[in-house]
Amino acid sequence: GIQVEQSPPDLILQEGANSTLRCNFSDSVNNLQWFHQNPWGQLINLFYIPSGTKQNGRLSATTVATERYSLLYISSSQTTDSGVYFCAVGDQPKLIFGTGTRLQVFP
Amino acid sequence: EPEVTQTPSHQVTQMGQEVILRCVPISNHLYFYWYRQILGQKVEFLVSFYNNEISEKSEIFDDQFSVERPDGSNFTLKIRSTKLEDSAMYFCASRGLSRQGTSGAFFGQGTRLTVV
Repeated sequence: GIQVEQSPPDLILQEGANSTLRCNFSDSVNNLQWFHQNPWGQLINLFYIPSGTKQNGRLSATTVATERYSLLYISSSQTTDSGVYFCAVGDQPKLIFGTGTRLQVFP
Repeated sequence: EPEVTQTPSHQVTQMGQEVILRCVPISNHLYFYWYRQILGQKVEFLVSFYNNEISEKSEIFDDQFSVERPDGSNFTLKIRSTKLEDSAMYFCASRGLSRQGTSGAFFGQGTRLTVV
């Protein structure tokens, strides 16, 4: 099956810093999503991005499908950005999740 | 913004008891899923449901699990005889169609199941 690797596993930042999270996957996919899991366990949908680049406020994501990776950029990080960021990929119909990047942002 | 809703948010049950987790997917979505996340681990796929039948299931989804769409709005996951290792957060998700094809999946807030 498809393997999904995320790096780094842990990231500690001071408020205002920028960061890049990476997701590598082992096979071609037609579905890729980024999620933020908040401290209450909710999975918040950030991007549906099987290819190309998207931006939403301080967050942006780029997927290079031919090279089997995706990047999530967080600029000017805030304490509310803390949590676990998951990349999930797949062909239809299911998603396969990576192990996540745990982000802690300190004031 | 439309959302997937799950009930209950927390459920505590005794080992061997049956539980039913409930979900209301986004109304015009066509694909429905259950995932689970054991504490501290990654999210795992359980089952997908399309056109009133299971389209794919994982090895985790054994005979003690079943899903049903009893009416036009609800989507349920039943665990027949719960085990301690079924303790986890269970997520329902749904996905629809866009002009480009299928859209991304939207997840509910989860049901935290604790088996004692």
